[in-house]
Amino acid sequence: QVLLVQSGAEVKKPGSSVQVSCKTSGGTFGTFALSWVRQAPGQGLEWVGGIIPVTETPVYAHKFQGRVTITADESTSTAYMEMTSLRSEDAALYYCAVSDNSAWYYDFWGQGTLVTVSS
Amino acid sequence: DIQMTQSPSTLSASVGDRVTITCRASQNINNWLAWYQQKPGKAPKLLIYQASSLQSGVPSRFSGSGSGTEFTLTISSLQPDDFATYYCQQYDSYSYSFGQGTKLEIK
Repeated sequence: QVLLVQSGAEVKKPGSSVQVSCKTSGGTFGTFALSWVRQAPGQGLEWVGGIIPVTETPVYAHKFQGRVTITADESTSTAYMEMTSLRSEDAALYYCAVSDNSAWYYDFWGQGTLVTVSS
Repeated sequence: DIQMTQSPSTLSASVGDRVTITCRASQNINNWLAWYQQKPGKAPKLLIYQASSLQSGVPSRFSGSGSGTEFTLTISSLQPDDFATYYCQQYDSYSYSFGQGTKLEIK
């Protein structure tokens, strides 16, 4: 069983940056396929990007390339997602999600972090 | 990027009905497809992976089929707990995109 605990809600101004963390317990962090998925209010799921920590190589959805940075710290079993140049349409619930077998589907999910973007 | 299109967007059905949701990919994704169930205020729950493999603990009334570009999720006999929104997701190549969702409502 893998448990993912995310950082708390954030309120940010347009143009600023936000960092969300995802601390995991259980399983083997280094070989997780860990992704960030967001959901705007009343909308569907959108894949943002992901990383398999042992590879140290993140992958991103094309629309977020250059604006999102995903990192992973194996010493603390924690992943991070930073998004810059925030705009109103980035307001969403951001989930971290993992597969514990390095496949890019997700059998464990965090509780979600609400990011509000408002001036 | 691979586009995933689900149909229908909304489905009204009754307890005991057999229902099918379709997911089409814009290009061949082999069988690298997952299905999720999401209820309001909750994180998605994995139902099916690799197009037809039932996730541990998921009731056997859920089944998945398909390969290539066309896939289906079938619920053989709807239960009250099944009314939710369902998403497909391809993981053949990134971006690992989701379908837009199918909301399953009580008729």
